[in-house]
Amino acid sequence: SYVLTQPPSVSVAPGQTARITCGANNIGSKSVHWYQRRPGQAPVLVVYGDSDRPSGIPERFSGSNSVNTATLTISRVEAGDEADYFCQVWDGSGDHPVFGGGTKLTVL
Amino acid sequence: QVQLVQSGAEVKKPGASVKVSCKAFGYTFQTFGITWVRQAPGQGLEWMGWINTHNINTNYAQKVEGRVTLTTDPSTSTAYMELRNLRSDDTAVYYCARNQGDYGDYYFDSWGQGTLVTVSS
Repeated sequence: SYVLTQPPSVSVAPGQTARITCGANNIGSKSVHWYQRRPGQAPVLVVYGDSDRPSGIPERFSGSNSVNTATLTISRVEAGDEADYFCQVWDGSGDHPVFGGGTKLTVL
Repeated sequence: QVQLVQSGAEVKKPGASVKVSCKAFGYTFQTFGITWVRQAPGQGLEWMGWINTHNINTNYAQKVEGRVTLTTDPSTSTAYMELRNLRSDDTAVYYCARNQGDYGDYYFDSWGQGTLVTVSS
């Protein structure tokens, strides 16, 4: 089965840039989506289709995808960005979603 | 405004069954599939299954296949997830989510608020 690998944690100071990676074999050929899950809340879609943002998501959130690594970049990090972030692709052979293990973003 | 509203928390004994509902608001229910995902304490998101709300085709994760059934009631725009023969490791928050995008590349643009299911003797 297809496995997405994320770092367990990323820490960044307010105002700096956070980069959260999602690694997999040839992930650049797939469409990657990212979700934010604050404690006690439901996940929220923050990036879809590698780099598109849903309406209402700040421009500070951006995504990229190339070869074996997809990246969610959060610019000018704020305290409210502290959350778990999950990447997701669709496994066409199994016809189901695959999620990364999640990355906890800590704002120092 | 698209919204998915789930039923409330449940406490069940091992071996029992639970049925979680997910009522959709703000869109035509049978136009978008529904996926069910759970998150156990300290764990990541785990896909359980999804249902095509138009033709009622389903696809279940191997880990729960045989114990889970996804259904819908189009008359009330509600999707259901029933999990049988509950075990302690089924303790988790269960989410429903709306499928968005093209078939074969779905993502989830709206999620329910989550339903905590606790399995304990």
